[in-house]
Amino acid sequence: AQSVTQLGSHVSVSEGALVLLRCNYSSSVPPYLFWYVQYPNQGLQLLLKYTSAATLVKGINGFEAEFKKSETSFHLTKPSAHMSDAAEYFCAVRKYNFNKFYFGSGTKLNVKP
Amino acid sequence: EAGVTQFPSHSVIEKGQTVTLRCDPISGHDNLYWYRRVMGKEIKFLLHFVKESKQDESGMPNNRFLAERTGGTYSTLKVQPAELEDSGVYFCASSPGQGKNTDTQYFGPGTRLTVL
Repeated sequence: AQSVTQLGSHVSVSEGALVLLRCNYSSSVPPYLFWYVQYPNQGLQLLLKYTSAATLVKGINGFEAEFKKSETSFHLTKPSAHMSDAAEYFCAVRKYNFNKFYFGSGTKLNVKP
Repeated sequence: EAGVTQFPSHSVIEKGQTVTLRCDPISGHDNLYWYRRVMGKEIKFLLHFVKESKQDESGMPNNRFLAERTGGTYSTLKVQPAELEDSGVYFCASSPGQGKNTDTQYFGPGTRLTVL
């Protein structure tokens, strides 16, 4: 069965510090990978997605993620955290030729002044 | 362009009652999905419509849940009778036709259901 693991349900960083949110997946074949963000009282918004065109994917708001097949990982990073980045982040995978997403349990990012 | 909308935003009902959740997808999107998140756990797939047809309902928990998509437009998810374990946030998402692997799913804000 497909599974997605997000290490750390809560991550706290200082404003200006590096953001690193971890996502590992289990799959016998490389899936399609997505990161979504949910701000308070809003729906999930796509940050970025891996489509096999390039292993380093750049998304909105300065976020990027690197697909590492050997590590079955798709960690999300941002060089310098901003207060507005405080939200919950979800990693999702989609198997080839299947429509449904499998989500991780989410990571809440807190940004301290 | 309007995004995915869901109604109501919150619903509090008692065990045994019936609740109907509604989702309006982005206009022109043939694919409509329902997901559920229970108490801080992962968001789980419930089912997928292509136009008015159920493509995959493998995630539906039991026969107390009934999903419909009239005329391939909006969708409703009815829970009857509701149980305590049905509490959670119900998300709706839509995506364009063709169902390509890289298609983004656009999510609504969710309906928070509380069963007392």
